[in-house]
Amino acid sequence: GAGVSQTPSNKVTEKGKYVELRCDPISGHTALYWYRQSLGQGPEFLIYFQGTGAADDSGLPNDRFFAVRPEGSVSTLKIQRTERGDSAVYLCASSFGVPDEQFFGPGTRLTVL
Amino acid sequence: DQQVKQNSPSLSVQEGRISILNCDYTNSMFDYFLWYKKYPAEGPTFLISISSIKDKNEDGRFTVFLNKSAKHLSLHIVPSQPGDSAVYFCAASAGSGNTPLVFGKGTRLSVIA
Repeated sequence: GAGVSQTPSNKVTEKGKYVELRCDPISGHTALYWYRQSLGQGPEFLIYFQGTGAADDSGLPNDRFFAVRPEGSVSTLKIQRTERGDSAVYLCASSFGVPDEQFFGPGTRLTVL
Repeated sequence: DQQVKQNSPSLSVQEGRISILNCDYTNSMFDYFLWYKKYPAEGPTFLISISSIKDKNEDGRFTVFLNKSAKHLSLHIVPSQPGDSAVYFCAASAGSGNTPLVFGKGTRLSVIA
């Protein structure tokens, strides 16, 4: 079916606000990843889910960042008390079967004013 | 410290010629390497991969070479086409299966007609 989708495509918010970013993985993919890409950088790992549980959250920069995947499909990345340094493109990827061939969504561009 | 390095931020090549994109890594635990291609406002798209048990993998116009002793890999595109113009990311992982990827900063390839 369809590829990985992410909503919204763009989000502008004010410093201190709370935001939620959504990812719909490819149907049947068990693994889901969140990455963050800042200007001029490659994607940087944030958190990885295998099914419903976070298998590795070592990339989350601090406790303002949290992600859930309650039913093992859709995932939401939540950022509290946003800061200007959180501005970046947040990418979601999913995978199943082929080792490490992750399929990426188009990303959500977050701008914190 | 960057574990995956792409030291050339940009590369220009004439249509029909060979494009060679380079990537170096420092983590000897990496055993799977991938190249992704990214167009503006889109997520990275998987291009080609190579396992550490191989030194070459070919797929049409794209060939990836791995030199484990030098911790170096390269992507060859031949012949280069204008549609190949994009940012190319080298990525690596430390375990086959579903594991987070470590990306380089990318190289912007421009193929001139």
